[in-house]
Amino acid sequence: AQSVTQLGSHVSVSEGALVLLRCNYSSSVPPYLFWYVQYPNQGLQLLLKYTTGATLVKGINGFEAEFKKSETSFHLTKPSAHMSDAAEYFCAVSTNTGNQFYFGTGTSLTVIP
Amino acid sequence: EPEVTQTPSHQVTQMGQEVILRCVPISNHLYFYWYRQILGQKVEFLVSFYNNEISEKSEIFDDQFSVERPDGSNFTLKIRSTKLEDSAMYFCASKVRGIRDNEQFFGPGTRLTVL
Repeated sequence: AQSVTQLGSHVSVSEGALVLLRCNYSSSVPPYLFWYVQYPNQGLQLLLKYTTGATLVKGINGFEAEFKKSETSFHLTKPSAHMSDAAEYFCAVSTNTGNQFYFGTGTSLTVIP
Repeated sequence: EPEVTQTPSHQVTQMGQEVILRCVPISNHLYFYWYRQILGQKVEFLVSFYNNEISEKSEIFDDQFSVERPDGSNFTLKIRSTKLEDSAMYFCASKVRGIRDNEQFFGPGTRLTVL
């Protein structure tokens, strides 16, 4: 079975500060992991994904995430927050068929000017 | 850039009424999905659909729910007799192929309010 836990339903950072959004997963098969972002009144947009290969993956808008199998984590980071990063962020793991995504509860990121 | 669209953006209905939520997936995609998110809770998988039939469904997707691809573009979710607990945001998603590492593309959602 697969599941995702996102620690911190709300995270606030100052503009220019490091963004760290946490995601831990549980998976009975090698995990395929995804981060999605949702801006107000919009759908879920893929930020980045890990399937196989390099454990540090880079996504859009300067975000990256590192797959750490020993810690069962896939935390999302960005070195310098921008006002436009304010949104809801969802971590997800897919089933071995790829048909179901198990999502975390989401983290709302606020960027303070 | 192609995107998944959903209509309406907000649907208000009375308990016991039938509702149909509509989605237009990306045109060359073959796999279609519905998810829901009750306010303050996780996004939950409801159903996946391929080749005009359901391929997987969750425990949430009971006999009150049905999905259909009535023509070459629309993908619908029907709730036959809505309950208060069906109030949620419903997301449609599509994927080009069924392999595991393909991302799902999500629509903006329909907020369903059952009174």
